[in-house]
Amino acid sequence: EDQVTQSPEALRLQEGESSSLNCSYTVSGLRGLFWYRQDPGKGPEFLFTLYSAGEEKEKERLKATLTKKESFLHITAPKPEDSATYLCAVQVQTGANNLFFGTGTRLTVIP
Amino acid sequence: ETGVTQTPRHLVMGMTNKKSLKCEQHLGHNAMYWYKQSAKKPLELMFVYSLEERVENNSVPSRFSPECPNSSHLFLHLHTLQPEDSALYLCASSQESSIQETQYFGPGTRLLVL
Repeated sequence: EDQVTQSPEALRLQEGESSSLNCSYTVSGLRGLFWYRQDPGKGPEFLFTLYSAGEEKEKERLKATLTKKESFLHITAPKPEDSATYLCAVQVQTGANNLFFGTGTRLTVIP
Repeated sequence: ETGVTQTPRHLVMGMTNKKSLKCEQHLGHNAMYWYKQSAKKPLELMFVYSLEERVENNSVPSRFSPECPNSSHLFLHLHTLQPEDSALYLCASSQESSIQETQYFGPGTRLLVL
């Protein structure tokens, strides 16, 4: 069964304290892995897509990496405005454009 | 308006009411989606439309009825809902419904069923 697991469930960081969020997956044929950011009361905002193991993408303080079993979202020197829930989703080979989402990591960055 | 918009943003309804959620995308995409987001659960895909045709229905109860009159608009008609249907309902769109297309989400409609 296709499964996406994100950890930790919640993370509190001091401003400037770098860390990583994890997304592990067991799917039958990965076509793409997506990272989204979701602020309270809003819809998910697209951040990155990764397609193959070894791929990396960066945007400001965020860097996403992908292996055959998991993806990491590295946050370097975070700021309070980075506080949000970060969602990971995988797209598999079968079916339409189906995304299987994890439950997210709720990040709080304290000034 | 840009991106994906949804109305209303908040909705409270009784179990015997009938209401509709509206989604509009201004991105020129051909595929649209309805998702349900409940607390501490992953987003659940409900329906997928491609060029106004429904291509996926993930075993959603018949009290939820989607409608896609054109590739820019998507509706979710609600009737005789249950309290457990209270959730954030998200609309998304992508260029196509094929794989490897990025989905862009609207702000959602927060639904409370009393």
